[in-house]
Amino acid sequence: EVQLVESGGGLVQPGGSLRLSCAASGFTFSSHWMHWVRQAPGKGLLWVSRIDGNGNTANYADSVRGRFTISRDNAKNTLYLQMNSLRAEDTAVYYCVRDSGDFDYWGQGTLVTVSS
Amino acid sequence: DIVMAQSPLSLPVTPGEPASISCRSSQSLLYRNRFNRLDWYLQKPGQSPQLLIYLGSSRASGVPDRFSGSGSGTDFTLKISRVEAEDVGVYYCMQALQTPLTFGGGTKVEI
Repeated sequence: EVQLVESGGGLVQPGGSLRLSCAASGFTFSSHWMHWVRQAPGKGLLWVSRIDGNGNTANYADSVRGRFTISRDNAKNTLYLQMNSLRAEDTAVYYCVRDSGDFDYWGQGTLVTVSS
Repeated sequence: DIVMAQSPLSLPVTPGEPASISCRSSQSLLYRNRFNRLDWYLQKPGQSPQLLIYLGSSRASGVPDRFSGSGSGTDFTLKISRVEAEDVGVYYCMQALQTPLTFGGGTKVEI
């Protein structure tokens, strides 16, 4: 059974940093592009970033480029999102998503709150 | 960036009746003249989004056949032939043609 379990969310002050993790199981992790998608409270879905199976290619939304870094450890079947210089507008539930040509599996999400 | 426009914003439905949601993209989503890189997702209350339709018209595994997707290029439609109570939630279209991947604003379906 495919499982994606996010962790690392929490309350952080503006300007602070946080690292999200996504533990994957039930499939060959290295064979899939992986994404982060976020959802601000009461709002719609916003794509954040993606990374290829080898970890060599990454893309970012303009709103996070230069502040967030996506990475993966295929030996640990884990996806990461390093978030620096956090802003209030980064407050959201962050979902880890598997890419099989479409977003076929989503994690349960982890809440990041940026507030003083 | 490709802009995705969904309508309506809110859709009151009656169980047993059909429902339809429209999604338009600011540029064609046709890839290699064969595949439309357009997916549909449903986010039920309190849950993570789930895949309903991929490549514009292919139903994902386990999705009931009352859901269908159609359209090509820039105009797409999600149809529910007979709405059931479990279909309530917010429906999103998403383009997967190019980064940044972009979602429509969502359509809230409620009974």
